[in-house]
Amino acid sequence: SQTIHQWPATLVQPVGSPLSLECTVEGTSNPNLYWYRQAAGRGLQLLFYSVGIGQISSEVPQNLSASRPQDRQFILSSKKLLLSDSGFYLCAWNPHRNSPLHFGNGTRLTVT
Amino acid sequence: KQEVTQIPAALSVPEGENLVLNCSFTDSAIYNLQWFRQDPGKGLTSLLLIQSSQREQTSGRLNASLDKSSGRSTLYIAASQPGDSATYLCAVRLPRGGSNYKLTFGKGTLLTVNP
Repeated sequence: SQTIHQWPATLVQPVGSPLSLECTVEGTSNPNLYWYRQAAGRGLQLLFYSVGIGQISSEVPQNLSASRPQDRQFILSSKKLLLSDSGFYLCAWNPHRNSPLHFGNGTRLTVT
Repeated sequence: KQEVTQIPAALSVPEGENLVLNCSFTDSAIYNLQWFRQDPGKGLTSLLLIQSSQREQTSGRLNASLDKSSGRSTLYIAASQPGDSATYLCAVRLPRGGSNYKLTFGKGTLLTVNP
């Protein structure tokens, strides 16, 4: 069966520091991969998605970037965090874009 | 621009009650609709996916219906249990192009089932 791993679970970082969140999927090949952010009182916002290695589409231009160095690995990064980057970051995958979306357990990021 | 609304924002019911959660969307040209539950501090768990050509989907005590023309979906939970307490979110997918990869989410309904 397929599983998705996301880490770390929680992270507290000072403003201006770099960020790296990692997500891996097991038990499948060539999945579509997604990064969502959930801010308090707001719905989930799609940040990036990837349909293959090295292929990244950005939905919201901002302080963040994403990379897919391997088939089942998706990384969310920032060179310098802002206070507004605080939130709950969720990685997700599906085998085909019209199939159900499955989420990881999320990373709670607090920028201080 | 597609907007998804879930009413009520919060709902509290006694154990054993049957209940309905509502989801509405502004653009009826959707490809499919998915219902999720989210426990506090956790990721989302997929419950049901309804394709635009379908009217309903069932899984155990859950039944989701879709009326695309009116822009509405409902999630029916039968014989509710305290373990059903969670936030329930619906999300719609647009039918074509790059936007087809994107789900538009509602803000969810926080359900509390009291023992």
